[in-house]
Amino acid sequence: AQSVTQLGSHVSVSEGALVLLRCNYSSSVPPYLFWYVQYPNQGLQLLLKYTSAATLVKGINGFEAEFKKSETSFHLTKPSAHMSDAAEYFCAVSGPGANSKLTFGKGITLSVRP
Amino acid sequence: DAGVTQSPTHLIKTRGQQVTLRCSPKSGHDTVSWYQQALGQGPQFIFQYYEEEERQRGNFPDRFSGHQFPNYSSELNVNALLLGDSALYLCASSYGRGETQYFGPGTRLLVL
Repeated sequence: AQSVTQLGSHVSVSEGALVLLRCNYSSSVPPYLFWYVQYPNQGLQLLLKYTSAATLVKGINGFEAEFKKSETSFHLTKPSAHMSDAAEYFCAVSGPGANSKLTFGKGITLSVRP
Repeated sequence: DAGVTQSPTHLIKTRGQQVTLRCSPKSGHDTVSWYQQALGQGPQFIFQYYEEEERQRGNFPDRFSGHQFPNYSSELNVNALLLGDSALYLCASSYGRGETQYFGPGTRLLVL
């Protein structure tokens, strides 16, 4: 079975500060890992994904994440927060293999202070 | 290029009723997955359809059923609605051997 742990339900940063959202996974097989963002009253938008290629993955809107097998982690970072980054962020694990179901964490709400 | 679309956007039902939600996948995609997102929670996998057959199923009761049509669109049916079925229902599409699922805006279901 696969699972994802996102510690803490809420992170608050100042505009321009570093964003760090933590994700740890559990998987008995080599995982595929994803970060999705959800704005209020909307669906999920893919930020970035790791599928066994480069361990440092760059995504949209300046976000990136690093796959660390030894730590079973896939933390999401952004050097400088923008007000528009305020949203709910979900880490998910699947695979390997095509079209495996996604298993999501509980999500982290990111607030950005002016 | 149209993304994943879902209808309706909102729905209110009463306990015991039945509901049908619809999803059209992203152009070129042939696989549809359904997820339930309760308030304050991450999405939970319900099932996945490929070539008009259910390929995978999550831990949901038989009250939840689905269908995929030849044009790859899909329906989610929920019978005998319970208050606990109130949630955002998300549809995601992907292609064949692809690992990335793209989500629609969801249908918010409220059961009274």
